[in-house]
Amino acid sequence: QKEVEQDPGPLSVPEGAIVSLNCTYSNSAFQYFMWYRQYSRKGPELLMYTYSSGNKEDGRFTAQVDKSSKYISLFIRDSQPSDSATYLCAMSLSGSARQLTFGSGTQLTVLP
Amino acid sequence: EAGVAQSPRYKIIEKRQSVAFWCNPISGHATLYWYQQILGQGPKLLIQFQNNGVVDDSQLPKDRFSAERLKGVDSTLKIQPAKLEDSAVYLCASSFHERLGTDTQYFGPGTRLTVL
Repeated sequence: QKEVEQDPGPLSVPEGAIVSLNCTYSNSAFQYFMWYRQYSRKGPELLMYTYSSGNKEDGRFTAQVDKSSKYISLFIRDSQPSDSATYLCAMSLSGSARQLTFGSGTQLTVLP
Repeated sequence: EAGVAQSPRYKIIEKRQSVAFWCNPISGHATLYWYQQILGQGPKLLIQFQNNGVVDDSQLPKDRFSAERLKGVDSTLKIQPAKLEDSAVYLCASSFHERLGTDTQYFGPGTRLTVL
C-alpha cells in the first residue's frame, strides 16, 4: 500500500464548475499537508499549505485536512481553463527534515 | 527573483551510458533536493542537501546514482550506468532553510531523461 493515495483521473469539467480533488494517506505522523500544481513540462509549484487539521482558503482555492480520517481535499471554485494541470498532494512529518511524500497526481482539464 | 535552473532540459541516451544533470538553486537557498518523477507518478525524493552536506540519501540507488553539491550552491546528479527504468523527469528543488513551519520548496522545470 502506498503511503499517499490519489485518484489519477483524468478529470474533465466545464468552466465555472466546482472541482474536488482528494488524497488519503496511511501515516498518521504526517503533520504538514500541501497541494502542488504542475503544468505540462514544468516543475510543481506550491498552491496551498496546511498544518494539521482544518481548512484554509486562498481566493478560489480551499484546502481541507481531516486527520481523523487521514483525508485531505482541495476545492477549486469557478474553475478556469488556466486551472488545467496536474494537481499533486504532498505531506511531510514534523521535525526538522521537510521531506515531502507526494501522491501520484490528478490530471484536471477545465473545458471552456 | 530568478527561479531554479536546470540543464539540460532533455536527454536521450542508450542504456549503460552515463549522464549528468545540473541544478542551480535560487540564490541564498541553503537546502537543495533532487527528485525523480516517473511518468504518471508523483516526485520521489532521491537526495537532500543542507548547504554542501547530505541530509538524506536513503532513496538514492547508490550503486549507479551519485550527487554532489560543491560550495553549497550548484549541484550535479549523475547516473552511471543508466538503466531503462531510469527514464523519468529529474526535478531539482530548493528552499531557504529548514525551520519549524512551512519552508516552501521551489522546483525547477526538470530534465526529461529517456533511456533507450
